[in-house]
Amino acid sequence: DAGVIQSPRHEVTEMGQEVTLRCKPISGHNSLFWYRQTMMRGLELLIYFNNNVPIDDSGMPEDRFSAKMPNASFSTLKIQPSEPRDSAVYFCASRRGQGQDGELFFGEGSRLTVL
Amino acid sequence: GESVGLHLPTLSVQEGDNSIINCAYSNSASDYFIWYKQESGKGPQFIIDIRSNMDKRQGQRVTVLLNKTVKHLSLQIAATQPGDSAVYFCADRPIFSGGYNKLIFGAGTRLAVHP
Repeated sequence: DAGVIQSPRHEVTEMGQEVTLRCKPISGHNSLFWYRQTMMRGLELLIYFNNNVPIDDSGMPEDRFSAKMPNASFSTLKIQPSEPRDSAVYFCASRRGQGQDGELFFGEGSRLTVL
Repeated sequence: GESVGLHLPTLSVQEGDNSIINCAYSNSASDYFIWYKQESGKGPQFIIDIRSNMDKRQGQRVTVLLNKTVKHLSLQIAATQPGDSAVYFCADRPIFSGGYNKLIFGAGTRLAVHP
């Protein structure tokens, strides 16, 4: 299995620009999670989907952030407009099943730098 | 709100020694706990998990202990190796997350293994 695939691995952009991060979950996994990691705040859950439906987006910082999951094999996290404080590593994770124990499988992350 | 924190930000051990990484959680309603390891530049990787109806679980070279009375979780690594050097995160799953495995991560402890 290829694992969770994220792109881009690194992105440097200027304040005000739109940023789109992409994620391909592991085939057969029906839950998908977006996390943000910073030195100050650690790993924060932004949003998670189950069967392509957003379940909880209470962790999304503000309206500049949006996430979609148009199908079972693809999700995007968009920041528009981006700000320097959005600089972080963004992780996507997926798992199989619902209401069950078991690990989340994380991607390698997308490191975002907003100048 | 709930939070999961760690007592020690950095732990240094000698190769071959046993390591103990501690974690305090605040949400007494959490029913599931999990440890992740994160190497530099990579996404978190699952190590071991434990349900709240257990107080100990063993894996290969790792043991997780759960003390619900004082809301404390620990990860023990036997015969620590240089490859164990990483940041270790504990996470809990609040019952109110509806079983969607909404994990709340702690700040992390860095384990440094010296030869």
